[in-house]
Amino acid sequence: ETGVTQTPRHLVMGMTNKKSLKCEQHLGHNAMYWYKQSAKKPLELMFVYSLEERVENNSVPSRFSPECPNSSHLFLHLHTLQPEDSALYLCASSQAPVDTEAFFGQGTRLTVV
Amino acid sequence: GEDVEQSLFLSVREGDSSVINCTYTDSSSTYLYWYKQEPGAGLQLLTYIFSNMDMKQDQRLTVLLNKKDKHLSLRIADTQTGDSAIYFCAKGAFSGGYNKLIFGAGTRLAVHP
Repeated sequence: ETGVTQTPRHLVMGMTNKKSLKCEQHLGHNAMYWYKQSAKKPLELMFVYSLEERVENNSVPSRFSPECPNSSHLFLHLHTLQPEDSALYLCASSQAPVDTEAFFGQGTRLTVV
Repeated sequence: GEDVEQSLFLSVREGDSSVINCTYTDSSSTYLYWYKQEPGAGLQLLTYIFSNMDMKQDQRLTVLLNKKDKHLSLRIADTQTGDSAIYFCAKGAFSGGYNKLIFGAGTRLAVHP
């Protein structure tokens, strides 16, 4: 248990569906991250929120839309995804700006059919 | 560039030492990390080393950093079957008010009897 909880753990969705991934951290951190982990590829940083402001958006397609309503919660809204978006989506949190350690959730395994 | 490279696979016998290697191209990192990922799980922070250190030891884990060669290694002493997992090397650099982590593709460690 890392203090970062992601739901759901598994999600299967059609290309026309809309769904959301949720991340909650109980560590009192003020920075939260979304990473994408595809097979045989390095983890890709998607979005970063620091002090509830988005500070990084790594050229992610607009069909992925993040939301950070407060420092403990992070969402990733999904719509009209493609099969190549199937991956493990990992959430992490840290304490900016001197955040030596980032803690990860268990991830959401997303399958787009 | 911001590449972090690791070999993809390592097989060791139970009780032997494992050495997982990592090289990186950008020397501006402040911290270097080792994460462990077990099947179906998120990333677990194992250890990290500050860029002005050469070595860090934590129980069975020894991290060696060669800044000149931009080479990081993780040695696991007395490797056990429970150590079977994917090990990710990552480098961190403070940018835009948060610690930006760049990951390698991961080394799959298989421990056999």
